[in-house]
Amino acid sequence: EAQVTQNPRYLITVTGKKLTVTCSQNMNHEYMSWYRQDPGLGLRQIYYSMNVEVTDKGDVPEGYKVSRKEKRNFPLILESPSPNQTSLYFCASSLSGPQETQYFGPGTRLLVL
Amino acid sequence: GNSVTQMEGPVTLSEEAFLTINCTYTATGYPSLFWYVQYPGEGLQLLLKATKADDKGSNKGFEATYRKETTSFHLEKGSVQVSDSAVYFCALSGVGNQFYFGTGTSLTVIP
Repeated sequence: EAQVTQNPRYLITVTGKKLTVTCSQNMNHEYMSWYRQDPGLGLRQIYYSMNVEVTDKGDVPEGYKVSRKEKRNFPLILESPSPNQTSLYFCASSLSGPQETQYFGPGTRLLVL
Repeated sequence: GNSVTQMEGPVTLSEEAFLTINCTYTATGYPSLFWYVQYPGEGLQLLLKATKADDKGSNKGFEATYRKETTSFHLEKGSVQVSDSAVYFCALSGVGNQFYFGTGTSLTVIP
């Protein structure tokens, strides 16, 4: 089944404790992206990647890192999480770019205490 | 810069009512426009899209027309069902590879 998977689905952590949210797709897509969803703000793009080893900042990259060492994986790293990073995070992928249909993962709900 | 503005929600309609959700955009160049839908507890999925001016996207009875002169991409459906209850996001893909969503409009359809 074609899908985007994220892990973990739920995470509670404390300020400053490094964490990684994994994202994997099995559709051989080139484009992958991370978004955060907050009430009243909709979804905002954090980082995106056009292909392996090619990543770029979205609208809200501060406090986040990403890597794209393999085509299928695009982990999101919070090296020192803060409470303002409490949010619902979605990973998405598309065949060749954002103008194509993006397929979204189920989301990761993060609470930073 | 690029941005998307959607009508504020929430919207509550009776079954079989007509739906309009307004969306306007600001963009450089010629963006592609999208409506994504998020059903309760799920991730987003594409509802419809249009890639150039005057294109009409349609799916599941929903329609939206790309209007360059008014920079709009309003979502419409002639007769909503309870199963259409969801959050609807207008979005654009412009010059470069970033993607921009509106704030979302929550729709509840009551029987």
